[in-house]
Amino acid sequence: SQTIHQWPATLVQPVGSPLSLECTVEGTSNPNLYWYRQAAGRGLQLLFYSVGIGQISSEVPQNLSASRPQDRQFILSSKKLLLSDSGFYLCAGGPGGRRADTQYFGPGTRLTVL
Amino acid sequence: AQSVTQPDIHITVSEGASLELRCNYSYGATPYLFWYVQSPGQGLQLLLKYFSGDTLVQGIKGFEAEFKRSQSSFNLRKPSVHWSDAAEYFCAVGPYGGSQGNLIFGKGTKLSVKP
Repeated sequence: SQTIHQWPATLVQPVGSPLSLECTVEGTSNPNLYWYRQAAGRGLQLLFYSVGIGQISSEVPQNLSASRPQDRQFILSSKKLLLSDSGFYLCAGGPGGRRADTQYFGPGTRLTVL
Repeated sequence: AQSVTQPDIHITVSEGASLELRCNYSYGATPYLFWYVQSPGQGLQLLLKYFSGDTLVQGIKGFEAEFKRSQSSFNLRKPSVHWSDAAEYFCAVGPYGGSQGNLIFGKGTKLSVKP
């Protein structure tokens, strides 16, 4: 199985400041990688997924962007945070390829925008 | 459209009692099905998954789930709940979209356990 690392664990940022959340994966090569946001009572919202280096698909238009500079590194960014960007951000990894398989989740980052 | 419904937002059971969490899905073919558990402030941990074969699936921590195609359901069960089972539980189905391993998650069921 894979191990997903995320940092930081918590983050408090002012409105209008930039954001960079990092996710790294151990235990597999060529994984599919995912960024989710979780809001209370709303389940998991898929934000971005990536099937390879430099390949990013966006599920929801928003103030955020993602990048995958290395095979096992996935970064979530924003140039200017909004209050509505507050939430719990989860990175997940799954086997590469076209079929669904188990996604393994990181511990998450709690982002508060003030 | 593909979707996952967890009808119960919050369930409270007594410690030692049995548990069943409901999950219904809408999917055009045979789905892959998953149950995850999330403790407060933590990531999601896989409990069990169904891809094919035996429709009764055993998972970790004494959980099991049964795939019922005719009812489009994948309910999670445990015969005797422990206080440590208090958490939020998510059902998921896939693949969807571009089949890049994407999953659709239900909105979750929060489980509270009474002593």
